[in-house]
Amino acid sequence: KAGVTQTPRYLIKTRGQQVTLSCSPISGHRSVSWYQQTPGQGLQFLFEYFSETQRNKGNFPGRFSGRQFSNSRSEMNVSTLELGDSALYLCASSLTESEAGELFFGEGSRLTVL
Amino acid sequence: GESVGLHLPTLSVQEGDNSIINCAYSNSASDYFIWYKQESGKGPQFIIDIRSNMDKRQGQRVTVLLNKTVKHLSLQIAATQPGDSAVYFCAENYSGSARQLTFGSGTQLTVLP
Repeated sequence: KAGVTQTPRYLIKTRGQQVTLSCSPISGHRSVSWYQQTPGQGLQFLFEYFSETQRNKGNFPGRFSGRQFSNSRSEMNVSTLELGDSALYLCASSLTESEAGELFFGEGSRLTVL
Repeated sequence: GESVGLHLPTLSVQEGDNSIINCAYSNSASDYFIWYKQESGKGPQFIIDIRSNMDKRQGQRVTVLLNKTVKHLSLQIAATQPGDSAVYFCAENYSGSARQLTFGSGTQLTVLP
């Protein structure tokens, strides 16, 4: 069974550009969450989707957005990139929408903003 | 300006010894807790979880202890192996927050030969 797949794994952008990251959850999983990981702030929740609906959003500016498609695949977008957006962006999927149960993380998309 | 990174607590143990990693959580309303292991270049990997109606749960070579009175969580790893070297995170969640996990800052575990 394939795990959570994130693309691209690495990317470099410049300030002011925008970026779209993709996440394919484990087959059958309908919940997808996104986290940002930086040395300064650690792992921080971005948002969570279930059945194409955003159920929760973390404390990030509106430049960070996401969506989920009918096949459960998810994308997140960051517009007007800032140097501080350099981070590892992690996607996690879960079988259920409940607050408990295992979250399966992908290996992340490492974004560098120059 | 210079960016300041999180100063991860570190723990070094001899191979074969037991390891204890501690975590203080912040939200007294949290009712679900998870330990994750993150190896370099990889995403966090689920180790074990525990609900707030329990104070101990055991898995294979791992035990999680929960003390709600002092909001403290610990992970015990028995017979620590080189493959256990990684950063370990605790995470908390509470009913009604969907899957919004709040992660601790992590502990770097190094297993010495």
